[in-house]
Amino acid sequence: DQQVKQNSPSLSVQEGRISILNCDYTNSMFDYFLWYKKYPAEGPTFLISISSIKDKNEDGRFTVFLNKSAKHLSLHIVPSQPGDSAVYFCAASEGNTPLVFGKGTRLSVIA
Amino acid sequence: GAGVSQSPSNKVTEKGKDVELRCDPISGHTALYWYRQSLGQGLEFLIYFQGNSAPDKSGLPSDRFSAERTGGSVSTLTIQRTQQEDSAVYLCASSSAAGPPTKGKNIQYFGAGTRLSVL
Repeated sequence: DQQVKQNSPSLSVQEGRISILNCDYTNSMFDYFLWYKKYPAEGPTFLISISSIKDKNEDGRFTVFLNKSAKHLSLHIVPSQPGDSAVYFCAASEGNTPLVFGKGTRLSVIA
Repeated sequence: GAGVSQSPSNKVTEKGKDVELRCDPISGHTALYWYRQSLGQGLEFLIYFQGNSAPDKSGLPSDRFSAERTGGSVSTLTIQRTQQEDSAVYLCASSSAAGPPTKGKNIQYFGAGTRLSVL
């Protein structure tokens, strides 16, 4: 039973355009959501987070949107750069519980 | 060191052997987590340690898996009598404390992982 779902295994975007990565969850008790980025042979690195009391959080080129009624969040990257090519993991937590991760979406930014 | 360090980076073992995986967390971080990522899957929580509290072992898949954290720093994940389904990348993360993750606080920082292959 997957509590965090990333239904798109891969996404290709042209350099300069917007990348939109989606994530759905089933547990309405999740109160924090995070995005991690992972390059091959490296551990995931934290990118951006959002609390369930907010609907948007922005950090430079990265913006996360949260729609609690739909149990859906998305990560927008604008403009996309070749260095953004990586696997992006959505994760969620409920209070102090460990993170629950999705399976990831592989983003390829084409120059 | 500056980041989370894991060793070995790769481990090949025969079915039925025991393996030990090591994690050196970021200095001063009180919380330490173990995850594994099987092929095509997301990160699966295994166990976490917070300070001197009893570890949360709720994610360990079987009693062949165990972990300890000595002196509140280095942690070792042990898999006894390895099986082929144990093949995965084992990732360790540490954070300044366990709790709601917000920017700059309680964020989990990951090591590069140990790729375990059980033949």
